[in-house]
Amino acid sequence: AQSVSQHNHHVILSEAASLELGCNYSYGGTVNLFWYVQYPGQHLQLLLKYFSGDPLVKGIKGFEAEFIKSKFSFNLRKPSVQWSDTAEYFCALRWGGSYIPTFGRGTSLIVHP
Amino acid sequence: SQTIHQWPATLVQPVGSPLSLECTVEGTSNPNLYWYRQAAGRGLQLLFYSVGIGQISSEVPQNLSASRPQDRQFILSSKKLLLSDSGFYLCAWETGGSDTIYFGEGSWLTVV
Repeated sequence: AQSVSQHNHHVILSEAASLELGCNYSYGGTVNLFWYVQYPGQHLQLLLKYFSGDPLVKGIKGFEAEFIKSKFSFNLRKPSVQWSDTAEYFCALRWGGSYIPTFGRGTSLIVHP
Repeated sequence: SQTIHQWPATLVQPVGSPLSLECTVEGTSNPNLYWYRQAAGRGLQLLFYSVGIGQISSEVPQNLSASRPQDRQFILSSKKLLLSDSGFYLCAWETGGSDTIYFGEGSWLTVV
């Protein structure tokens, strides 16, 4: 079955540090990829998504993600994190032939001021 | 604009009691509707999804059930809650053929 793996379950950074959260999936066909973010006490919301085209996707709040098909990866990056980026981040996959999205386990990010 | 409402926000129920969580979507028609459970360290687990009135698909066998009595209403139920049913439940929607799922505020369920 198709799956999404987020290897970093807990990440702790200081402000201004660079961030990279890993996301790998197990499906060889066409995929749609997403990153969602859940700030403390708030809804899950879409951060960015990839469907086709430029594999480097820009999202809100300075986040970006790169789709590397050969590595089955869609890692999330931010060059300089802020305290307000403290949140839980979820990678999600929608694979060809199914409209049901599959979510990873999530990564809890804590940014110290 | 489209909005999604989910209630109650917090619920404490004894073991063996029934459950009803309700979700409604406004500003769209014929949405795909989802119920997810979010458990610490386990991410988002899809419980049920629906592509239309009366059409429910279950992803995980359990003592929960879902119903869609109206186009924009999705209900999560249980006849007898278990301790293991405690968790954070999220309703979500998307318009058919679109690409983004939108989530509700969530409901914290504690079974005691």
